[in-house]
Amino acid sequence: SQTIHQWPATLVQPVGSPLSLECTVEGTSNPNLYWYRQAAGRGLQLLFYSVGIGQISSEVPQNLSASRPQDRQFILSSKKLLLSDSGFYLCAWIRTSAAGELFFGEGSRLTVL
Amino acid sequence: AQSVTQLGSHVSVSEGALVLLRCNYSSSVPPYLFWYVQYPNQGLQLLLKYTTGATLVKGINGFEAEFKKSETSFHLTKPSAHMSDAAEYFCAVIFSGGYQKVTFGTGTKLQVIP
Repeated sequence: SQTIHQWPATLVQPVGSPLSLECTVEGTSNPNLYWYRQAAGRGLQLLFYSVGIGQISSEVPQNLSASRPQDRQFILSSKKLLLSDSGFYLCAWIRTSAAGELFFGEGSRLTVL
Repeated sequence: AQSVTQLGSHVSVSEGALVLLRCNYSSSVPPYLFWYVQYPNQGLQLLLKYTTGATLVKGINGFEAEFKKSETSFHLTKPSAHMSDAAEYFCAVIFSGGYQKVTFGTGTKLQVIP
């Protein structure tokens, strides 16, 4: 069966520090992968999506970047965090055989102080 | 522009009462429609979805939703609320064309009062 893992689950970082959030999918190949951010009262905002290794599309201009070094690995990064980067980050992959159903990881809660 | 709107960021119902969470989309072509549920500090999980065929869709935990093309709506209902239904609910849409980009509504927090 397919599973998706995210880590770390929680982290507290000072403003200006770097960030790396990792997401790994198991049990499937060549998934479409997504990073969403959930800020209080603002729903889910699509940040990046990837249809393959090295293929990244950005939805919102921002302080963050994403990379896909391996087929089932998706990384969200920042060189210098801002206060506004605080939020709940969710990685997801899409099950194309199930008409676009998204499978989510458990999320990473980032607090920037 | 294509969009999805959830009316009401917070909804409160009594235990045993009807649950109605509203979702409307803006598109000239019927999209794929989804409802997801999120419990505190967790990821989202699928409740139900509409792609084609029968417009009344049944999901997990006794929820169902009806796709109404004329109203561009996909409201989520449950006849009798249970305490365990307290969570945040998201309507989501895949509009036609392009890659499978899922657009989410802003969410509705459901409170169930004992």
